Amino acid sequence: AQSVTQPDIHITVSEGASLELRCNYSYGATPYLFWYVQSPGQGLQLLLKYFSGDTLVQGIKGFEAEFKRSQSSFNLRKPSVHWSDAAEYFCAVGTYNFNKFYFGSGTKLNVKP
Amino acid sequence: DTGVSQNPRHKITKRGQNVTFRCDPISEHNRLYWYRQTLGQGPEFLTYFQNEAQLEKSRLLSDRFSAERPKGSFSTLEIQRTEQGDSAMYLCASTNIGAYHQETQYFGPGTRLLVL
Repeated sequence: AQSVTQPDIHITVSEGASLELRCNYSYGATPYLFWYVQSPGQGLQLLLKYFSGDTLVQGIKGFEAEFKRSQSSFNLRKPSVHWSDAAEYFCAVGTYNFNKFYFGSGTKLNVKP
Repeated sequence: DTGVSQNPRHKITKRGQNVTFRCDPISEHNRLYWYRQTLGQGPEFLTYFQNEAQLEKSRLLSDRFSAERPKGSFSTLEIQRTEQGDSAMYLCASTNIGAYHQETQYFGPGTRLLVL
């Protein structure tokens, strides 16, 4: 069965520090992987996606993620966090035909000044 | 491109009442998805439409739920005889299957439902 696990419910980092949000997935075929960000009162916004090719993908707002097939992981990273990055982040896996998307339960990021 | 809009943004209702939500996707998008998001959880897939055809429904979509997309444009999601467990954020997303970046879903702001 397809599933996405985000083991960290809350993470707090200091502004300027680096960030890594973890995501593990379970999917029987080649996964299509996504990271979304959700700010209060806002819709989910796509940060980046991975389908194939280079396993390190770059996204918007300075985020990147690395696909590791052997670990079934797709962790999100940012070298230097800004206060405006405080939000909730969701990892998702999509079926090959984009009929369904499975989301993790999210990681809420707090940024300390 | 005005984005995906959803109305109403908030709805408070009493248990047993019927509610209807509307989603207006991005105009050229042929696929529309509905999700439910409860507190502390990620969005859960409910159903999707390709143009006006409803092609898949989740087991979460009980017979009290019905969704339509009559002309392949806007969509409605109706919940009959609401229960307190229906309280959640209902999200709509759209994409243009067959186009470049077809995998990118654009989400609306959601309709937050509270059943008293």
